[in-house]
Amino acid sequence: DTAVSQTPKYLVTQMGNDKSIKCEQNLGHDTMYWYKQDSKKFLKIMFSYNNKELIINETVPNRFSPKSPDKAHLNLHINSLELGDSAVYFCASSPSGGGGNTIYFGEGSWLTVV
Amino acid sequence: AQSVAQPEDQVNVAEGNPLTVKCTYSVSGNPYLFWYVQYPNRGLQFLLKYITGDNLVKGSYGFEAEFNKSQTSFHLKKPSALVSDSALYFCAVRPAQGQLTFGSGTQLTVLP
Repeated sequence: DTAVSQTPKYLVTQMGNDKSIKCEQNLGHDTMYWYKQDSKKFLKIMFSYNNKELIINETVPNRFSPKSPDKAHLNLHINSLELGDSAVYFCASSPSGGGGNTIYFGEGSWLTVV
Repeated sequence: AQSVAQPEDQVNVAEGNPLTVKCTYSVSGNPYLFWYVQYPNRGLQFLLKYITGDNLVKGSYGFEAEFNKSQTSFHLKKPSALVSDSALYFCAVRPAQGQLTFGSGTQLTVLP
């Protein structure tokens, strides 16, 4: 009964490669997110989608491209991977509307670029 | 822009003792405040939130948090710590219309 699931959980890849992380939520939420957690455990939002429409795009390199085929899925594609992209990427979802709605996170995808 | 401060990187407490993890915030308008916990190699789990009403909020696993508007604080508490509570705790704030902003996290270690 996983609410927000993302795959793969661990990914080791070489610099310059292109990789994707998939995310699905079965909570019926309208809004989905990608967050990045760096090596110091600091969490920062990357993207936010509402009903398949991009609503937040923080200062993220354009090598990162989210895609939402439907409101239950939000995938993250990364081109030309760099060493600095090594991090944990969390997918999340919430109901749309006010700021009091809880955001639920997936288990994370540990990306290591070598 | 909103911000969250967790002044302690590390909190150590003996099992059975009460624990407090501190959080202060800054946001325009009424705050929506959250606590999440992250166990090693796991995702963020929602613990509790404050929206409005009673300043003492109860959440999962026996945790509670007290909202103090005058001190702009939202400290996480538990009356009796367990070794299994050892984890990384994040405080977060969200304005009525805006994104969730996290603090830097506090590593809680409960010593047997």
